[in-house]
Amino acid sequence: DAGVTQSPTHLIKTRGQHVTLRCSPISGHKSVSWYQQVLGQGPQFIFQYYEKEERGRGNFPDRFSARQFPNYSSELNVNALLLGDSALYLCASSSEAFGVQPQHFGDGTRLSIL
Amino acid sequence: QQPVQSPQAVILREGEDAVINCSSSKALYSVHWYRQKHGEAPVFLMILLKGGEQKGHEKISASFNEKKQQSSLYLTASQLSYSGTYFCGVPPRGTSYGKLTFGQGTILTVHP
Repeated sequence: DAGVTQSPTHLIKTRGQHVTLRCSPISGHKSVSWYQQVLGQGPQFIFQYYEKEERGRGNFPDRFSARQFPNYSSELNVNALLLGDSALYLCASSSEAFGVQPQHFGDGTRLSIL
Repeated sequence: QQPVQSPQAVILREGEDAVINCSSSKALYSVHWYRQKHGEAPVFLMILLKGGEQKGHEKISASFNEKKQQSSLYLTASQLSYSGTYFCGVPPRGTSYGKLTFGQGTILTVHP
């Protein structure tokens, strides 16, 4: 079975631009979470979606938004990019939103802001 | 609040043991452990639940001390493949495990 897939793998943008990152969860998984990982730090929670509804939001500005589609895939959008948005963006899926469910991470999208 | 991991880094030779700790200033209900190799995705290792139940699929062990608000990951007879950065993650109380707050990581290096 395919794991969590993310696209693109790498992206270079300039300040002020916007970006859309995509995630396809493991088949049958309904919950998708997004994390930002800055070099040398642990992943930081951005959003969780389950059944197309937002179930949680981390401490990120409104420039960050996301959505989940009927096939459970998800997009993360970031507007007005800042240099500090340079990071590895990870998507994780689990079969349900609650209960003892491990998260399965994709390889991430490495975003560089010039 | 972010859990605190210790030590920050460990260097071992194959066959040696290591312990990685994860402490929280808030009550813990579960602790999730992941390993991330350079340039790769974090890989799930184990979930420890309040009450002592473990859910995992690798041959590693861990403990969960509710009183001390701490979890420890035990890596015995280390192998080269154990090298990587280990993260503990904790969920908000009573809510989904899809909103983990991760520690800063412990870098484990195993030499031949």
